[in-house]
Amino acid sequence: DAMVIQNPRYQVTQFGKPVTLSCSQTLNHNVMYWYQQKSSQAPKLLFHYYDKDFNNEADTPDNFQSRRPNTSFCFLDIRSPGLGDAAMYLCATGRNSANEQFFGPGTRLTVL
Amino acid sequence: RKEVEQDPGPFNVPEGATVAFNCTYSNSASQSFFWYRQDCRKEPKLLMSVYSSGNEDGRFTAQLNRASQYISLLIRDSKLSDSATYLCVVSGSSNTGKLIFGQGTTLQVKP
Repeated sequence: DAMVIQNPRYQVTQFGKPVTLSCSQTLNHNVMYWYQQKSSQAPKLLFHYYDKDFNNEADTPDNFQSRRPNTSFCFLDIRSPGLGDAAMYLCATGRNSANEQFFGPGTRLTVL
Repeated sequence: RKEVEQDPGPFNVPEGATVAFNCTYSNSASQSFFWYRQDCRKEPKLLMSVYSSGNEDGRFTAQLNRASQYISLLIRDSKLSDSATYLCVVSGSSNTGKLIFGQGTTLQVKP
């Protein structure tokens, strides 16, 4: 089945230790998104790729970076995780602007 | 003012009840509207798109009022399995590829 896959599902890291979360998709969608979601809050868009074009949200901290080496894969790098970065990180894909998005199962990040 | 506003609830209803959620959005240029469902500690999943003419999918009915900039979701004959958080989602300005999520409305269906 076509799907969005995220690895790992659970990630524990230490304060300040870099971490990379990965997302892959078999839907062949041209747009890929990274969201951060904290408890009882709406998903917050960090950035997205429209094909190879990177679009950063104005309020996304520099601590968060992303890479998209090809259509299928996208990575979220957190350079120096702080306690406030503990959250669920959701990857999503879409076919075009403003169409519905399809989410992966998320990676739950814990920062010790 | 939030771009997409929802009553967070929780809405506690008995099985079989009809429940309605409303959502308001601020960007009159938004073109696409959705309801997503999110179970506890899971990812959001598309429940239904919302069209100007209104649309129905089984027990679920969605309505869009562009003039007043609000969206509604009606659930008839509630089931225990309907317990979840329902996210109202609106597209950003055209051609940005962004969706704006509401905080979500929590529904608890009781036996």
